[in-house]
Order: sequence, then C-alpha cells, then structure tokens
Amino acid sequence: NAGVTQTPKFRILKIGQSMTLQCTQDMNHNYMYWYRQDPGMGLKLIYYSVGAGITDKGEVPNGYNVSRSTTEDFPLRLELAAPSQTSVYFCASSPRGVATNEKLFFGSGTQLSVL
Amino acid sequence: AQSVAQPEDQVNVAEGNPLTVKCTYSVSGNPYLFWYVQYPNRGLQFLLKYITGDNLVKGSYGFEAEFNKSQTSFHLKKPSALVSDSALYFCAVRDFSSNTGKLIFGQGTTLQVKP
Repeated sequence: NAGVTQTPKFRILKIGQSMTLQCTQDMNHNYMYWYRQDPGMGLKLIYYSVGAGITDKGEVPNGYNVSRSTTEDFPLRLELAAPSQTSVYFCASSPRGVATNEKLFFGSGTQLSVL
Repeated sequence: AQSVAQPEDQVNVAEGNPLTVKCTYSVSGNPYLFWYVQYPNRGLQFLLKYITGDNLVKGSYGFEAEFNKSQTSFHLKKPSALVSDSALYFCAVRDFSSNTGKLIFGQGTTLQVKP
C-alpha cells in the first residue's frame, strides 16, 4: 500500500521559475492538505481540499495554487518561485478531515530550494 | 488565538532511561491534542491524540501522553527510550477558529537517544 506519494523528492529552482509538486494518494481519502515546514517553525497549512473540485486557502497561500480534479491527485503549483518559498513541502490526506479529529497521513516530502 | 508551544528545541536521553517531550497549549474551550513523529527524510507519522476521557493516552511505539488541564500541558512520555526513538516530534492542537478544523503545529523537538 503506497499511501501518500510525493514527487520530486528534491528540486532546485531559479528565482522566477515555475514548477508543480505532485501528490497522489491511493487510500480514497476525501481530504488532502499541503503544508510547508520551515526550520524551527513547525508546519504551516498552504491549501487544502475536501474533495474533487473543491479547494480552499490555508494560512500561507500566497505564491501558490492548487487543483483537485480527481480524488487521488492534489498538485501544488508555484508560478514565480521566490527565495521565501525555499522549504520542505508535505502533502497529507485523511478520510474525513481533521475536523473529525482524524489523523493525517503524510507523504515523505519535497525539499525545494529557490536560488 | 490558539497555539501550542514546545519549549525545548532538543532533548537528550540515554537509552533505557525515561523520556519526556514537553508541550503546552493555549486554546479557548476544550483542546483536541495530537503528537506526530518525523523520522529523517520521512513524512510525519501519527503517534496519539487526546480528545476526551482519560488524561493518560497510549499511542504507537510505546509512547504515551499525559493531558493536564490545570497546567495546559500535553507532555509525551516513554518509560524506556530506544535509540530508534531519535526523531523530530511535533505537538499539534486542532484549530476551532476556522471551518477546516486544521491542526496548529508546534515548532518541533528533536529527541536524541544515545546508546
């Protein structure tokens, strides 16, 4: 059982470049989340989705976009990369969401550097 | 605003000794509290949660956590530490201020268990 899969694991971008971080889950979970992890800062929620076709902003959405065309996939798009977006990005999913106090299942992360 | 704090950046213990990783919270109303662990180059994994009921919650890998309402704390404990417990530990609280019920994470505590 693969769980939550993120690609790529590492990426270096130049300022102004764009890229998409891929996230897919095979557990048929409705809820999916994107977090960024900065050293000493914990995790901050970027975007989340409660089901296919439905997305909403989290705490730190600026500079990012998401889409949810299928239950399985929840890609995160960076349009104009900035050094402030250097971080480790985690995708997570849950069957019915944190609002029901369910645990999150996390991917292994994407380490992104913007230079 | 709701928040969690992990007052120690790093905790060092010897293998076989008991360990405690501290977490304090600030919420309005009853807190829903979680502990997650992150092993190197891996995503976060759920350890345990407190919603209601017994103040001592048992979780994965022999960990437990004690909820103390008067001290607004939710410390993670293990009677006998293993070298394999070395990891980054996150405390989190459910955020009731938004409809997402998202989790607010602490900044993390690195646990180092030495042989």
